[in-house]
Amino acid sequence: GNSVTQMEGPVTLSEEAFLTINCTYTATGYPSLFWYVQYPGEGLQLLLKATKADDKGSNKGFEATYRKETTSFHLEKGSVQVSDSAVYFCALSDTAGNQFYFGTGTSLTVIP
Amino acid sequence: DTGVSQDPRHKITKRGQNVTFRCDPISEHNRLYWYRQTLGQGPEFLTYFQNEAQLEKSRLLSDRFSAERPKGSFSTLEIQRTEQGDSAMYLCASSPGTDVGPLHFGNGTRLTVT
Repeated sequence: GNSVTQMEGPVTLSEEAFLTINCTYTATGYPSLFWYVQYPGEGLQLLLKATKADDKGSNKGFEATYRKETTSFHLEKGSVQVSDSAVYFCALSDTAGNQFYFGTGTSLTVIP
Repeated sequence: DTGVSQDPRHKITKRGQNVTFRCDPISEHNRLYWYRQTLGQGPEFLTYFQNEAQLEKSRLLSDRFSAERPKGSFSTLEIQRTEQGDSAMYLCASSPGTDVGPLHFGNGTRLTVT
């Protein structure tokens, strides 16, 4: 079946530190991969996506590369800001885009 | 694009009561999803619609849960005879239904069953 496993948090970083949040997946067929972000008191928002192997999604300084050989989609940012404090969810959709599967979320706190 | 809206934002009910939530998707989106999220967990799939047709339901969705999307626009999720274990955030999301469009989420309805 399809599933997503992401590193557990919480993660606390100082401003301008490098961020990596690991995400691995299990899927049949050709899934698409996503990172969603949930800021305090808000709904989930799409952060970035990649639809095929070796694609790199990027947005707001965040990046993630779809690695089929390692079934991974790790989220990275070179220099985090206090405003990046949020919960980050890795997700995949099945080949047809009918169903979406989410990881358990990783809470990030960035301190000044 | 006014986004996905959900109503109410919060609902407190007593065990055994019925509750109904509403979701208004982005107007041109064909697909509508319901998810449930509990503290410290990711969204858990409940069901989804393509236009007015309910195409899939999670095995986790007991007979007390029912969802409708009568005209292919807004949707309702009803929980009958609520239990304390139903306390969660209920999320609605929509997508264009073309290729693999990402999900656009509403802010959710938080249900508390006392």
